[in-house]
Amino acid sequence: DARVTQTPRHKVTEMGQEVTMRCQPILGHNTVFWYRQTMMQGLELLAYFRNRAPLDDSGMPKDRFSAEMPDATLATLKIQPSEPRDSAVYFCASGLEEGGEQFFGPGTRLTVL
Amino acid sequence: EDQVTQSPEALRLQEGESSSLNCSYTVSGLRGLFWYRQDPGKGPEFLFTLYSAGEEKEKERLKATLTKKESFLHITAPKPEDSATYLCAVQANQAGTALIFGKGTTLSVSS
Repeated sequence: DARVTQTPRHKVTEMGQEVTMRCQPILGHNTVFWYRQTMMQGLELLAYFRNRAPLDDSGMPKDRFSAEMPDATLATLKIQPSEPRDSAVYFCASGLEEGGEQFFGPGTRLTVL
Repeated sequence: EDQVTQSPEALRLQEGESSSLNCSYTVSGLRGLFWYRQDPGKGPEFLFTLYSAGEEKEKERLKATLTKKESFLHITAPKPEDSATYLCAVQANQAGTALIFGKGTTLSVSS
């Protein structure tokens, strides 16, 4: 059945290193979202795309985070350089703009030491 | 500012003991209200969308309702497998397709 996939599922890295997370949205979905989840803040929107074009990235620290969609089957979220406060679970979600419902991937659990 | 508040933060029930979870929202024009279920270590799983006050949706032991200021998720005769965190989110007219999530209610059902 159709589902959002994310890689890697877990990532442990050291402060200052580059981290790249990947997402494959559900085929045919035209909106893609990146969220970050922490115990303190809950789910926060980082960025989202419609038809591969970035619409809103106001939730991202611009100096270190970047999000792209090289093609319709791949979305990437990059952190460079990473910091311990970036430790969280990062979720990708996709959906159809008309419906509003978003379908989430399993997440990437990032730990920055 | 658009905002979603869920209560209680945590809820413990005995199997068969019905209850309700609350989601209060402040939004500049509601396009939709969404309920999700999240199990530990997994991504949120979509449950319901509600669009207008008075609307109700049901799925197994769950029923979601919507008023102009809040939504309730009613759980009837819960089972241990209903244990999870339930998240509420709103989509505002001004926010495109972005969702604003509450922090969730963690439900534990014991047998």
